[in-house]
Amino acid sequence: GENVEQHPSTLSVQEGDSAVIKCTYSDSASNYFPWYKQELGKGPQLIIDIRSNVGEKKDQRIAVTLNKTAKHFSLHITETQPEDSAVYFCAARVSWGKLQFGAGTQVVVTP
Amino acid sequence: GAVVSQHPSRVICKSGTSVKIECRSLDFQATTMFWYRQFPKQSLMLMATSNEGSKATYEQGVEKDKFLINHASLTLSTLTVTSAHPEDSSFYICSASDDRGQGYTFGSGTRLTVV
Repeated sequence: GENVEQHPSTLSVQEGDSAVIKCTYSDSASNYFPWYKQELGKGPQLIIDIRSNVGEKKDQRIAVTLNKTAKHFSLHITETQPEDSAVYFCAARVSWGKLQFGAGTQVVVTP
Repeated sequence: GAVVSQHPSRVICKSGTSVKIECRSLDFQATTMFWYRQFPKQSLMLMATSNEGSKATYEQGVEKDKFLINHASLTLSTLTVTSAHPEDSSFYICSASDDRGQGYTFGSGTRLTVV
């Protein structure tokens, strides 16, 4: 089955700096790659997603890049703010619409 | 945007009792519902997938007789944890998608504590 690896597990950044989280997937048939932000005690919130026919997508301070050949995709957050502190999960859609999640990255933005 | 309402947000129950968790899609028809379990500081683990009007498909290692899933309508799915034990204590999250397969909307989660 699909295996999604996510790095790093924790990321500390200074406010205003950029944060990058990387994920790799194993199933070349995966065609949808969402990123979720999860705050403590809450459900995941979609922050950006990308489909396999697109290489890059941007939404204000957040961008995602996809390299289908290498089977990896990355989340980029620029100009980080304290409210960006949370756990971020990448995911890949596999057969029958199921999402396989990465292990998560705890992002801490220090003022 | 799409909203999935999940209740209760937290519940404490005694060992041996059953607990029901509800997820409702408020403004779209949830053709498929996914149920996840998340232990502290871990990722989301898929428990089962259910399509409206059909029996749920459970992931390997998930006891279907213990975690009963009902998806009788396009706006409501329930997860019942039967004969709960302390090791069932976890954060349970539902996620719904419509038949266009455009995305997944997550509920806010239910913190279950079995004492």
